[in-house]
Amino acid sequence: QVQLQESGPGLMKPSETLSLTCAVSGGSITSNWWSWVRQPPGKGLEWIAEVYHTGSTTYNPSLKSRVTISMDNSNNYLSLRLTSVTAADTAVYYCARHIAVPGTRGFDFWGQGTLVTVSS
Amino acid sequence: EVVLTQSPDTLSLSPGERATLSCRASQSIRSSYVAWYRQKPGQAPRLLIYGGSSRATDIPDRFIGSGSGTDFTLTISRLEPGDSAVYYCQQQQFGISSVYTFGQGTKLEIK
Repeated sequence: QVQLQESGPGLMKPSETLSLTCAVSGGSITSNWWSWVRQPPGKGLEWIAEVYHTGSTTYNPSLKSRVTISMDNSNNYLSLRLTSVTAADTAVYYCARHIAVPGTRGFDFWGQGTLVTVSS
Repeated sequence: EVVLTQSPDTLSLSPGERATLSCRASQSIRSSYVAWYRQKPGQAPRLLIYGGSSRATDIPDRFIGSGSGTDFTLTISRLEPGDSAVYYCQQQQFGISSVYTFGQGTKLEIK
């Protein structure tokens, strides 16, 4: 069974750079696409970015200028970097695995999420 | 960017009834690129339907995804108390800008 575990700083100050990691166990990280999704408290889901082990990436245009997604194939983890954070970036951040069924879309495994709060 | 609008915002039904959740796209989308999720309080979303109509692992046949073009539906039959949750639809835009978007969610309450 694939398991994903996010880790992050918890509390940050405005203008700082957010760095998150997602440790993947129980499966190879090179078999699927992977995404980061966030959810502000009490609100809906927002997709941030996706990555494949070849280095291919796609970003949400609304965040593209501040976001970098990457993966470490050898150590089985994903990373997300978000610069110049503001209170609007306060959210639970999830990593998720894309289902590997050709021609379809869906995120079949999710981490438990890590809450990041931006406050001065 | 494709906008997904879910309706209704809240749905209150009794056990045993059927729930019909709607997801409307701002432009025609590929049905195989549509997914549905359920999220209970304090938990991560859980995949219910992928590829528009395929049930994810361990999802019972009470959950049916359907639709095409701009209109998609998640039907949940024989409602159980454990079905109380927020349900989200998701799509990926096919083409140069392969952005994923989610609907705003429908809260299903089982009375």
